[in-house]
Amino acid sequence: AQSVTQLGSHVSVSEGALVLLRCNYSSSVPPYLFWYVQYPNQGLQLLLKYTSAATLVKGINGFEAEFKKSETSFHLTKPSAHMSDAAEYFCAASRMDTGRRALTFGSGTRLQVQP
Amino acid sequence: GAVVSQHPSWVICKSGTSVKIECRSLDFQATTMFWYRQFPKQSLMLMATSNEGSKATYEQGVEKDKFLINHASLTLSTLTVTSAHPEDSSFYICSATSGSGQPQHFGDGTRLSIL
Repeated sequence: AQSVTQLGSHVSVSEGALVLLRCNYSSSVPPYLFWYVQYPNQGLQLLLKYTSAATLVKGINGFEAEFKKSETSFHLTKPSAHMSDAAEYFCAASRMDTGRRALTFGSGTRLQVQP
Repeated sequence: GAVVSQHPSWVICKSGTSVKIECRSLDFQATTMFWYRQFPKQSLMLMATSNEGSKATYEQGVEKDKFLINHASLTLSTLTVTSAHPEDSSFYICSATSGSGQPQHFGDGTRLSIL
């Protein structure tokens, strides 16, 4: 079975500081991995995705994530936080080898950005 | 970019009534659509996977007779919550993908409140 773990349900950073949101996956086969952002009362917006090409993936809004197979991790980073980055972030995985394209989500991390 | 429209965004109805939620892909053909449910401050839980022209595949524990899913065209899927009860109150989110290896694009969600 596949699972996604996000360490830290809440992360607080100062504006301009580094953002690091952690995600680990558990799967016998490296899955496709995604980071989504959710603003209050809205759906999810795709930040970036890893689909077995480059291990360092750049996304929108200055975010990037690095796939590390040895650590089964896909942590999300941004060099300098902006107030508008405050939101809920979800890491997700899908198993393309089984044809099951539904996403398994982590529990989410709420990012707060302090002025 | 790919756009998924979900309607209505908010609905309040009496216990015992049925509610239909629509999910439309506006600028691409969605071979597969997914329906998720999200409880407050929690992650998204997959309810069912819907392929155009075939019966939906429901996740374990999801009542298919209560949550009717129809995917009659490549741009529209509907979720009908039948005989709704207060415990069905939740945030329902759909997503759509154009094919294998393609990311899911999410609607903005529907907040359902059953009185």
